[in-house]
Amino acid sequence: DAKTTQPNSMESNEEEPVHLPCNHSTISGTDYIHWYRQLPSQGPEYVIHGLTSNVNNRMASLAIAEDRKSSTLILHRATLRDAAVYYCILRDGGGATNKLIFGTGTLLAVQP
Amino acid sequence: NAGVMQNPRHLVRRRGQEARLRCSPMKGHSHVYWYRQLPEEGLKFMVYLQKENIIDESGMPKERFSAEFPKEGPSILRIQQVVRGDSAAYFCASSLGLAGGYEQFFGPGTRLTVL
Repeated sequence: DAKTTQPNSMESNEEEPVHLPCNHSTISGTDYIHWYRQLPSQGPEYVIHGLTSNVNNRMASLAIAEDRKSSTLILHRATLRDAAVYYCILRDGGGATNKLIFGTGTLLAVQP
Repeated sequence: NAGVMQNPRHLVRRRGQEARLRCSPMKGHSHVYWYRQLPEEGLKFMVYLQKENIIDESGMPKERFSAEFPKEGPSILRIQQVVRGDSAAYFCASSLGLAGGYEQFFGPGTRLTVL
């Protein structure tokens, strides 16, 4: 799996939008961009994924750069419950196992 | 539709005992993954199984650890002769499909403490 780079930590205020960046300059054409998050003392939780086009779901939006070398997870209105470690992970569309390789992620703090 | 179930949620063992961790994937999911999170560390892949088959065990320690996913029943991660360094949170995930577009759904984890 190709490597991703994320800031170690970010801060946000409650009810404001949050943009979490991820760089993946060595992404291949078949790699999907996945985002997971892990709240304190819980298991990881799937957030969103995409291949080339921007994606929206009930949790977040994923904006993918045209060259696919970077992406941004957008939380439209942060709540205290969004405080977590956010992981950006590449998964090979044609991989044999598609195990997730977690990096250090971005620790998001949300201030009231 | 119930999510991924793991039990027990907490397990305490003394050094040298065996630990058995169980995982029931989401209904219809035949792909199961086990991950380990040591204290203050990130999640590490251990093993990937499909029904009755181990597909990728590249993250499993060479000794004392084994996993199975029988035709009937939950997937089992077994740790023999536990040592203090095995204390960690063990997470199971399941997936409907193998391709990169399929997400993994995680269970709440089993927190193993070795005394």
